[in-house]
Amino acid sequence: EVQLVESGGGLVQPGRSLKLSCLASGFTFSNYGMNWIRQAPGKGLEWVASISSSSSYIYYADTVKGRFTISRDNAKNTLYLQMTSLRSEDTALYYCARQWRSHFDYWGQGVMVTVSS
Amino acid sequence: DIVMTQGVLPNPVPSGESASITCRSSKSLVYKDGKTYLNWFLQRPGQSPQLLTYWMSTRASGVSDRFSGSGSGTYFTLKISRVRAEDAGVYYCQQVREYPLTFGSGTKLEIK
Repeated sequence: EVQLVESGGGLVQPGRSLKLSCLASGFTFSNYGMNWIRQAPGKGLEWVASISSSSSYIYYADTVKGRFTISRDNAKNTLYLQMTSLRSEDTALYYCARQWRSHFDYWGQGVMVTVSS
Repeated sequence: DIVMTQGVLPNPVPSGESASITCRSSKSLVYKDGKTYLNWFLQRPGQSPQLLTYWMSTRASGVSDRFSGSGSGTYFTLKISRVRAEDAGVYYCQQVREYPLTFGSGTKLEIK
């Protein structure tokens, strides 16, 4: 069974950093691209970042470019999102999602990040 | 960036009736391989999004055949036949034609 479990969220002050993790199981992690998508409270979905299976290709939304870094460790079956210079508008539920070709076929349950003083 | 614009449903929809959700893109989502890079998701209350269709009209594994996607290069429809209570939630379209990937703002479906 495919499972994606996010962790690392919490309450953080503006300007500080936080690192999210997504532990994958039930499939060969190194064969799939991975993504982070977020959802602010009561709002819609916003794609954040993508990384290819071998980390050769990485893309970011303009809203996080230069502040967030997506990475992965295929030996640990884990996806990461390093978030720096956090702002109140980064407050959201962060999902990791597996990408097969063009589609996001499995999603985690999400981890909440709250940026507030 | 490609802007995705979703329509609004006249809620609530009576159980057993059909519902059609529309989505429009600001640029054609047809790629040079001939595929249309448009996904549909359902997010039920309190749950993670679930993939319904990809490449505009291909149903994801385990998805009921009551869900069908169609459209052209810039105008898309997700039709739900014989709606049930379990279909309630917010439906999102997403373009994966180019980065940055973008979602529509969502269309809420309520069942009566």
